Amino acid sequence: KQEVTQIPAALSVPEGENLVLNCSFTDSAIYNLQWFRQDPGKGLTSLLLIQSSQREQTSGRLNASLDKSSGRSTLYIAASQPGDSATYLCAVRHDYKLSFGAGTTVTVRA
Amino acid sequence: SAVISQKPSRDICQRGTSLTIQCQVDSQVTMMFWYRQQPGQSLTLIATANQGSEATYESGFVIDKFPISRPNLTFSTLTVSNMSPEDSSIYLCSGWDGLNEKLFFGSGTQLSVL
Repeated sequence: KQEVTQIPAALSVPEGENLVLNCSFTDSAIYNLQWFRQDPGKGLTSLLLIQSSQREQTSGRLNASLDKSSGRSTLYIAASQPGDSATYLCAVRHDYKLSFGAGTTVTVRA
Repeated sequence: SAVISQKPSRDICQRGTSLTIQCQVDSQVTMMFWYRQQPGQSLTLIATANQGSEATYESGFVIDKFPISRPNLTFSTLTVSNMSPEDSSIYLCSGWDGLNEKLFFGSGTQLSVL
């Protein structure tokens, strides 16, 4: 059974600092990995998708890397802003099902 | 990509009652899924909603408790039956974007059971 772990569970940084969020998974036989953002009490917004054959994906201030063999992905958010405060979840896909981590809750202090 | 409208966004219900959550997609999607997110925890897949046939439930979830309908490729409902406080969660529907190989989500239903 795929286990997805996100460390740390919570993170608080001053505005402008770069964020590093970690995701690890136990079974490297994945199709892809997706990073999501969730605001309190809301649904999920897809941020980045990395295919299993890719090493990284970038969108604006966001960069996600994938090391499938070691079962790890990292989401980097450059120059954080208060609007980046949210919970970030990673999910790995096998078949059409996704296994989710518990998320990292980020607070960016103004 | 496609957009899912989910309602209600939140509800407070009494023990023993049932609540039906609706999801409407603005385009046809082959696969739809229902997830539960208990407080402080990650998402757990409840079932895959199959168009025109019975849903496929994950271990620990049964049709009597979580009946699902999917009459066409743009609409699905999840009913949480005979609710107890342990059912207090966020319920999320999602659709599979086969073109981009992504899962996209509705805005969620925050359910509190008293």
